[in-house]
Amino acid sequence: AQSVTQLGSHVSVSEGALVLLRCNYSSSVPPYLFWYVQYPNQGLQLLLKYTSAATLVKGINGFEAEFKKSETSFHLTKPSAHMSDAAEYFCALGTGGFKTIFGAGTRLFVKA
Amino acid sequence: EPEVTQTPSHQVTQMGQEVILRCVPISNHLYFYWYRQILGQKVEFLVSFYNNEISEKSEIFDDQFSVERPDGSNFTLKIRSTKLEDSAMYFCASRTASQSSYEQYFGPGTRLTVT
Repeated sequence: AQSVTQLGSHVSVSEGALVLLRCNYSSSVPPYLFWYVQYPNQGLQLLLKYTSAATLVKGINGFEAEFKKSETSFHLTKPSAHMSDAAEYFCALGTGGFKTIFGAGTRLFVKA
Repeated sequence: EPEVTQTPSHQVTQMGQEVILRCVPISNHLYFYWYRQILGQKVEFLVSFYNNEISEKSEIFDDQFSVERPDGSNFTLKIRSTKLEDSAMYFCASRTASQSSYEQYFGPGTRLTVT
């Protein structure tokens, strides 16, 4: 069965610190993976996507993610957190069928 | 840049009433979806629609739900008799027919409040 697991429902970092949001997936076929960000009371904004090209994917707002097949992971990182990064982040798996499967989400808090 | 639009942005309805949520997908997209997100929870797949029929639906998508593409641009989700637990944010999404990417483009959502 295909699934997405996000480790840590809440992550808190200081401004300027490294952001690391963890995502593991399960898929019987080569996966397409996405990270979305959701600000309060807003929709889903695509941060980046992995579609079997480069394993290190760069996205918007300084975020990047590395696809590691051996670890079935697709962790999201940003070298230096900014206050404006505080939001909910969803890892998602595009299936060979028709739907996208979302992880439970990780809320990122950034402390001044 | 083309985008998915949804109306209304917020809908308040009484339990037992019918609601229709509207979406205008990106014009050259052929796959359409509805997802919902109960407050504080994850985004859940409801239904996918292709070639004027449902391709896949989740267990959430019971007989109270229906989808329709009444014309060449709109894609609607109808809930026949709303329940309190239908209160959620509903997202519409669409994508192209290309198999090179499964990326779906999401609309801004409709917040449905059932009282």
